[in-house]
Amino acid sequence: KNEVEQSPQNLTAQEGEFITINCSYSVGISALHWLQQHPGGGIVSLFMLSSGKKKHGRLIATINIQEKHSSLHITASHPRDSAVYICAARPQGGSEKLVFGKGTKLTVNP
Amino acid sequence: GAVVSQHPSWVICKSGTSVKIECRSLDFQATTMFWYRQFPKQSLMLMATSNEGSKATYEQGVEKDKFLINHASLTLSTLTVTSAHPEDSSFYICSARAPGPRVQPQHFGDGTRLSIL
Repeated sequence: KNEVEQSPQNLTAQEGEFITINCSYSVGISALHWLQQHPGGGIVSLFMLSSGKKKHGRLIATINIQEKHSSLHITASHPRDSAVYICAARPQGGSEKLVFGKGTKLTVNP
Repeated sequence: GAVVSQHPSWVICKSGTSVKIECRSLDFQATTMFWYRQFPKQSLMLMATSNEGSKATYEQGVEKDKFLINHASLTLSTLTVTSAHPEDSSFYICSARAPGPRVQPQHFGDGTRLSIL
């Protein structure tokens, strides 16, 4: 079993819908990243969080340390949000190696 | 925000050629850079951690003589794929981390798609 599990693997939505992508991890972490990988391959770091909630525009990331669970929400989704969203955990202990989930491919249709 | 530039974005070359990929942090100094490889529809796989002024740390199974990493300055790390073969065709992406006392995010380049004929 992967140390970082994402769900769903694939997600198709209609423009305007509220999107939720989930990430569960089994290791203790110092931080959790949400990344966005565009079809061309480039990766954008959306959030890095270790507790609570962060918001940037239409994107919201939450994390529950006790439950070892994080969610990424997209409000008022748009076709340009179509991408692969990757959850990556930075384990405790000083290691900088990120443990990646397998990604969630989001397609938002107009 | 922090910007990481990766060059070239796409390379096609013949088998046996050596290919150099550059990763630059444009607006911050990066003591640590990371090199990843990604196969189609798979997640990122860390190849090596590059530290400025010292030897890179390679992950298990990654040949250091095959994938040469040089981090000669605080803003530039290079990955050279030596004597490339078709099985080296992949998507290579770097990330850089700014120094600091607290956990810092990694900032990613746009990647290099390498195709070996």
